[in-house]
Amino acid sequence: SQTIHQWPATLVQPVGSPLSLECTVEGTSNPNLYWYRQAAGRGLQLLFYSVGIGQISSEVPQNLSASRPQDRQFILSSKKLLLSDSGFYLCAWSVPGKETQYFGPGTRLLVL
Amino acid sequence: SQKIEQNSEALNIQEGKTATLTCNYTNYSPAYLQWYRQDPGRGPVFLLLIRENEKEKRKERLKVTFDTTLKQSLFHITASQPADSATYLCALDFTGGGNKLTFGTGTQLKVEL
Repeated sequence: SQTIHQWPATLVQPVGSPLSLECTVEGTSNPNLYWYRQAAGRGLQLLFYSVGIGQISSEVPQNLSASRPQDRQFILSSKKLLLSDSGFYLCAWSVPGKETQYFGPGTRLLVL
Repeated sequence: SQKIEQNSEALNIQEGKTATLTCNYTNYSPAYLQWYRQDPGRGPVFLLLIRENEKEKRKERLKVTFDTTLKQSLFHITASQPADSATYLCALDFTGGGNKLTFGTGTQLKVEL
């Protein structure tokens, strides 16, 4: 069966520090991969999605970037965190051509 | 721009009753609509998908309707239980490409004994 992992589960970082969040999927090949952010009391905002290695689409201009170095690995990064980057970051995957997305456990990021 | 509206106020109901949650959207009518459940501090979990040519879909105690004329979906939980307490999100793909889901802000359901 397929599983999706995210780490770390929680992270407290100072303003201006770098960020690297990792997401890996097991049990499937060539998945579509997604990064979302959910601010407190807000809906999920799609940040990036990827349909293949090295193929990244950005949805909103921001302080973040994403990379997909391997088929089932998706990384969210920042060179310098802002206070507004705080939130709950969720990685998800889907089978290409299928509508349903499967979410990871999330990373709660607090920037101080 | 396309918008999804879910009742931001929490819905409190008594155990055993039917909970009904609403999802309204504007402009473009998507080919399908999905409902997800999210527990505090967890990622959303897929529940049901309904397509534009389906009026109703059921799964155990869950029922979803999709009215493309009203641009509305209703999500029902019958014989509700305290374990059904969670936030329920509706999601649509306005692009039609299958890659970009837009989520509503969700409605929090609390089932009381």
